[in-house]
Amino acid sequence: EVQLVESGGGLVQPGGSLRLSCAASGFTFSSYWMSWVRQAPGKGLEWVANIKQDGSEKYYVDSVKGRFTISRDNAKNSLYLQMNSLRAEDTAVYYCARTPKANNFDYWGQGTLVTVSS
Amino acid sequence: DIQMTQSPSTLSASVGDRVTITCRASQSISSWLAWYQQKPGKAPKLLIYKASSLESGVPSRFSGSGSGTEFTLTISSLQPDDFATYYCQQYNSPPWTFGQGTKVEIK
Repeated sequence: EVQLVESGGGLVQPGGSLRLSCAASGFTFSSYWMSWVRQAPGKGLEWVANIKQDGSEKYYVDSVKGRFTISRDNAKNSLYLQMNSLRAEDTAVYYCARTPKANNFDYWGQGTLVTVSS
Repeated sequence: DIQMTQSPSTLSASVGDRVTITCRASQSISSWLAWYQQKPGKAPKLLIYKASSLESGVPSRFSGSGSGTEFTLTISSLQPDDFATYYCQQYNSPPWTFGQGTKVEIK
């Protein structure tokens, strides 16, 4: 059974940093692109970033370029999102998602809430 | 960036109704479109990929069609478990973008 479990969310002040993690199991993690997708409270879905199987390609939505970094550790079956210079508009539930061939999102974690507020 | 526009934003329907949701892309995306269902407090669930391919385990009452810039998600006979919000998503080119969502409510 495919499982994705996010952690690392919480309350952080504007300008602060946070590192999200996603532990994957039930599939060959190193064979898949992986993504982060977020959802602000009461709003729709927004793709944030994705990363190729070997980490050699990474893409970001413009609003987080230069502030967020996606990475992975295939030996640990883990995906990460380092978030720096956080803003109030980054407040959202962040989902980790498996991304076959850099396309759609076929499995999702339960999400972790990031709140940016003073 | 490719903009995705769904209509309607909210839809009121009864159990057994046939329901159709439309998604329009600001430029051609061929068939690179997916549909998701999301219930309150839960992660989205993939229903349809490549515009018309049914994800494994998804009931056959769900179907997708379209290509280019206009797409539809159809629920042939609405069931109680189908009341949720539905999103389309394009993966023709980055940034991958979603529609704003269509909430299917009980009439």
